[in-house]
Amino acid sequence: LAKTTQPISMDSYEGQEVNITCSHNNIATNDYITWYQQFPSQGPRFIIQGYKTKVTNEVASLFIPADRKSSTLSLPRVSLSDTAVYYCLVGDMRSGFKTIFGAGTRLFVKA
Amino acid sequence: DTAVSQTPKYLVTQMGNDKSIKCEQNLGHDTMYWYKQDSKKFLKIMFSYNNKELIINETVPNRFSPKSPDKAHLNLHINSLELGDSAVYFCASRLGTSQDNEQFFGPGTRLTVL
Repeated sequence: LAKTTQPISMDSYEGQEVNITCSHNNIATNDYITWYQQFPSQGPRFIIQGYKTKVTNEVASLFIPADRKSSTLSLPRVSLSDTAVYYCLVGDMRSGFKTIFGAGTRLFVKA
Repeated sequence: DTAVSQTPKYLVTQMGNDKSIKCEQNLGHDTMYWYKQDSKKFLKIMFSYNNKELIINETVPNRFSPKSPDKAHLNLHINSLELGDSAVYFCASRLGTSQDNEQFFGPGTRLTVL
């Protein structure tokens, strides 16, 4: 499974757009990129998944460049309740059931 | 209507004791996991079961024994508890048959070994 690297922490203010970038230089052809969000004292929650280009849902957007060696999770107009840890995962779920969570990025949104 | 539930939510016990944590999912998923999250918040996979069959065992001490009586349940039994076992344990489930990597996590069980 490809290893991922993310910033340890980020600060933002309410109403701003937040972009969290994840590096995955060894991503394999069949790997998908998935992001999870974890609030204190809760289990992680799936946010978004993509393979290439751009994916958007009601919560976030995921930008993946052509070489797929990195990806950027974009959170539009964050609020205080978006303060959480965000994990980037890379893997091919069709060939295995293993999921490796990295250290994650701790996002702190200020008023 | 909880999708993935765990019991108990908190568990405080003495070193050397044996304890169990239970997990149930009502999503009809084929794959279930146990994760351990330590004080530094690293989330590490311990076990994975697919259709009651053990798929992944991530070099976890054999004091930890998962048991899956049916697809909807994956319990974790821990023998001879040690101080280092103190952590939050999360159960998760996934459909298991598609490329979708969406896992559904339980609320966690905070285990404290004294």
